[in-house]
Amino acid sequence: EAQVTQNPRYLITVTGKKLTVTCSQNMNHEYMSWYRQDPGLGLRQIYYSMNVEVTDKGDVPEGYKVSRKEKRNFPLILESPSPNQTSLYFCASSLGTGLRNSPLHFGNGTRLTVT
Amino acid sequence: KQEVTQIPAALSVPEGENLVLNCSFTDSAIYNLQWFRQDPGKGLTSLLLIQSSQREQTSGRLNASLDKSSGRSTLYIAASQPGDSATYLCAVVNNYGQNFVFGPGTRLSVLP
Repeated sequence: EAQVTQNPRYLITVTGKKLTVTCSQNMNHEYMSWYRQDPGLGLRQIYYSMNVEVTDKGDVPEGYKVSRKEKRNFPLILESPSPNQTSLYFCASSLGTGLRNSPLHFGNGTRLTVT
Repeated sequence: KQEVTQIPAALSVPEGENLVLNCSFTDSAIYNLQWFRQDPGKGLTSLLLIQSSQREQTSGRLNASLDKSSGRSTLYIAASQPGDSATYLCAVVNNYGQNFVFGPGTRLSVLP
């Protein structure tokens, strides 16, 4: 089944403890992206990647890192999480470079709580 | 900077009604527009994608139109069903094709 898989689904952690949220897609998609969704602010892009070894900042990249060493994986790293990073996180992927006329496929989300 | 708005923010209708959801964007230099559905606690599911050169797309009971010059799109849902209850989001891709800018969504409730 074609899908975008995120893990974990739920994560509770403490301030400053490094964590990684994994994202994997099995559709051979070139484009991958991370979003956070917050009440009243909607979906905002954190980072995106047009292809392997190519990543770029979205609208809210501060406090996050990403890497794209393989086409299928795009992990999101929080080196020193803070409470304002408590949010619902989504990974997404698309077939074509730059989303050109290709639907965006989303994972089921990771709900992160930082205390 | 591109901004996307959606009206109404919430909508409650009885089953069987036809309804229209609205999406507006400030910069008409878009590559395409996409409508998504989001169920509570879940990810987004792509419903329809309209390329900038197209006027509309249809899938089953859903029809989406695009008026690029006026910065508007509508999602028409025919014969609504309780299973249509969800939040519907629109998003536009800029001409560089790098990022979707999402609207805040319309929360739809279809009552049996």
